Amino acid sequence: DAMVIQNPRYQVTQFGKPVTLSCSQTLNHNVMYWYQQKSSQAPKLLFHYYDKDFNNEADTPDNFQSRRPNTSFCFLDIRSPGLGDAAMYLCATSTGLAGGGEQYFGPGTRLTVT
Amino acid sequence: AQSVTQLDSQVPVFEEAPVELRCNYSSSVSVYLFWYVQYPNQGLQLLLKYLSGSTLVKGINGFEAEFNKSQTSFHLRKPSVHISDTAEYFCAVSEDNYGQNFVFGPGTRLSVLP
Repeated sequence: DAMVIQNPRYQVTQFGKPVTLSCSQTLNHNVMYWYQQKSSQAPKLLFHYYDKDFNNEADTPDNFQSRRPNTSFCFLDIRSPGLGDAAMYLCATSTGLAGGGEQYFGPGTRLTVT
Repeated sequence: AQSVTQLDSQVPVFEEAPVELRCNYSSSVSVYLFWYVQYPNQGLQLLLKYLSGSTLVKGINGFEAEFNKSQTSFHLRKPSVHISDTAEYFCAVSEDNYGQNFVFGPGTRLSVLP
């Protein structure tokens, strides 16, 4: 089945220690998104790629970076995690074509910062 | 820019009872509307979507929603809920056919009680 895969599902890192979360997709979609979701809140968009074009949300902290080396993979790098960065991180994709912009989500990576 | 309101942050309901989760949006243009469900520690899964055509949309798991343009609403309904429907439900709006402006509501926590 075509899908969005996120690894690992659970990640523990230390305060200030860089961490990378990964996302891959077999849907061959043009657009990939990274969201941060804290407890009992809606997902908050951090940034997205339309093909190789990177789009950063205005309020995304500089501590968060992303890479998309090819269509299938996208990475979220947190350079110096703080306690406030503990959250669920969701990767999503969409076709980028006409159709309303439906997004397909991965299972998420829950990040704990100790 | 569009916005989404989900007036009820929590909705408790007994098993086999009907439920309605409310969603209202504001936008100056035509919109595309979505309902997603999120089970604990999982990603978001699409329940249903409205792009055009019939205002009554049927989705997975017995859910349906009705688009009301005059009231700018897209309420989600199910005639008889199950324990397994306990989850967080997010309404989302896109003003762009390509998904470039995709906004989530704050979510409604549905708790189905035995």
